[in-house]
This record gives sequence, structure tokens and C-alpha cells, in this order.
Amino acid sequence: QVQLVQSGAEVKKPGSSVKVSCKASGGTFSSYAISWVRQAPGQSLEWMGGIISILGTTNYAQKFQGRVTITADESTSSAYMELSSLTSEDTAVYYCAKGSPAMDYWGQGTLVTVSS
Amino acid sequence: DIQMTQSPSSVSASVGDRVTISCRASQDISRWLAWYQQKPGKAPKLLIYAASSLQSGVPSRFSGSGSGTDFTLTISSLQPEDFAVYYCQQANSFPPWTFGQGTKVEIK
Repeated sequence: QVQLVQSGAEVKKPGSSVKVSCKASGGTFSSYAISWVRQAPGQSLEWMGGIISILGTTNYAQKFQGRVTITADESTSSAYMELSSLTSEDTAVYYCAKGSPAMDYWGQGTLVTVSS
Repeated sequence: DIQMTQSPSSVSASVGDRVTISCRASQDISRWLAWYQQKPGKAPKLLIYAASSLQSGVPSRFSGSGSGTDFTLTISSLQPEDFAVYYCQQANSFPPWTFGQGTKVEIK
């Protein structure tokens, strides 16, 4: 049984960056894909990008290209999502999820609030 | 990007009702479609993958069908714990994976 535990809520200023972590337990971390999906208040789900650490590959949605960086640390079974140049439109719950394309295990979500 | 359109946006139903939710893709995605359930304040939960394969542990009252551009999620007999928002996701063209706008199943 895979469990994904994310870091806590963040409040950020416009123009700054945020880095959210996702620690996995169970399964073989390096062999599966980790996706990052966000959900703005009252909105649908939006896939941002993903990583397969054993292949050393990352993929990003074009919307976030140049602004998002997804990394993984196999030694700690953790994935990270860093988003830069934050604006109020980045206020959302950010989820990590195992699997691609179908995401079968999800973290609990991390609320990122961007406010001056 | 492939656009996913769900209908209806919301549906009111009673316990025991049969509920169907539709999802249409802007281009052919074969059977590369997943369905998720999301309850307030919780992460989404995978229900169906590959259009009709039931995820382990998901009750058999949930079923999926369709191929190409038109897909359906059916709840055969709605239970109290099924009131939630349901999302479809295309899994054919990457990146990005894209989701529908969601369908809220409400108590009638």
C-alpha cells in the first residue's frame, strides 16, 4: 500500500517561489511516476507535470514550462514541486499523485496561498 | 491540448437511483480515460481506468463505458457515500493530461 504525505500549508508573497514535498512509503518509489496536480478554489483539477525518477525523465504542461521544476530524491523516497514567480492565480491546493496516466494514490494536498 | 467536457455539471438524485455522467473528448482518445471521485476537502480517488476497468476496492455499482470521444460513468444504485464531485481525465495525449470540469452529484 503506497502512502504519500505532503508538506504543510504555505503562505507566499507575489513574485516569490514555493517548494512542496511529497514523501512516499510502500512500493518502489523509483519505479513509478509521480504527478503534480493542482486545484484552485472551486475549480477542476489541473495537471502540472510529472517525474519518473528511475528513467530520469520529467514532463511539464506547457502552461507551467519555465516556472515549475519537479525533482525526486530516491534516497528519501521524496518528490518535490517548485513553482516560481507566484501570483494570486497560483492560490490552490497542490497534490502529488502516484501513477501516470491514471493516478491511483494521492497525497493529502498542500494549500498554497499567494497574498500580499 | 485535448479538451474534456462533462455533462451535466450537476445532478440531483436520491439514494437508490441510477446516475449517469457523460464525458466527451475533443478528439479520439481510444479508451484512454479515467474517472475520479472527490469529496469535499479530500484528494481525488481513482474509480475507473482504461474507460471500463474498475480500480481495486471500488464497489461494483460503479461502471464505465465508451471509446473514441464519448464516455459514460454509471452508478447503478446511488449510495449516501456517493454524493461527491466526479471528474474524467484523458490519458491518451501527453503532456498534459487533462480533466473535465467536474460533475457534482447532489442529494435530491
